[in-house]
Amino acid sequence: KAGVTQTPRYLIKTRGQQVTLSCSPISGHRSVSWYQQTPGQGLQFLFEYFSETQRNKGNFPGRFSGRQFSNSRSEMNVSTLELGDSALYLCASSLASSTYNEQFFGPGTRLTVL
Amino acid sequence: TQLLEQSPQFLSIQEGENLTVYCNSSSVFSSLQWYRQEPGEGPVLLVTVVTGGEVKKLKRLTFQFGDARKDSSLHITAAQPGDTGLYLCKGAGDMRFGAGTRLTVKP
Repeated sequence: KAGVTQTPRYLIKTRGQQVTLSCSPISGHRSVSWYQQTPGQGLQFLFEYFSETQRNKGNFPGRFSGRQFSNSRSEMNVSTLELGDSALYLCASSLASSTYNEQFFGPGTRLTVL
Repeated sequence: TQLLEQSPQFLSIQEGENLTVYCNSSSVFSSLQWYRQEPGEGPVLLVTVVTGGEVKKLKRLTFQFGDARKDSSLHITAAQPGDTGLYLCKGAGDMRFGAGTRLTVKP
């Protein structure tokens, strides 16, 4: 059974640009969550999607958005990039609610903003 | 702010030593999960503790859930370099993780 895949693995952007990250969950998983991980702030929750609907949202500005497609694949978008957006972005999938069930994480996308 | 407080933040020990890390909260959780994240990878679930006072063992790792279900501990016996990683806890009903304990086990 394939694990969670994230593309791209590495990305370099400049301030002001926008970026789209992709996540393919484990087959059959309907919940996809996104996290930002930085050395200073740790693992911070961005949002969770379940059956194409955003179910939970963390405390991030509106520049961070996401969506989920009918095949459960998810994308997150960051517009008007800032230096502080440099981070490892992790995607996790679970069978149902991510708040109670085991989350399976992908290897992450390392975003560097110059 | 983190709902779950983990301590210590960093821990560096020699192979063969024992250690305990903690996860504390002012909130009651119906269950609590422990994850480990190794360098270059995403976190992986180690265990879920459900019952207050519960003790679960995973080889050299012992997990305990507090009687009041507000805190948990992870004890590692005879640590090995392969135990190196970031240990994270997460309470049920919440999407947030604790800040983690970064453990380094030196050979």
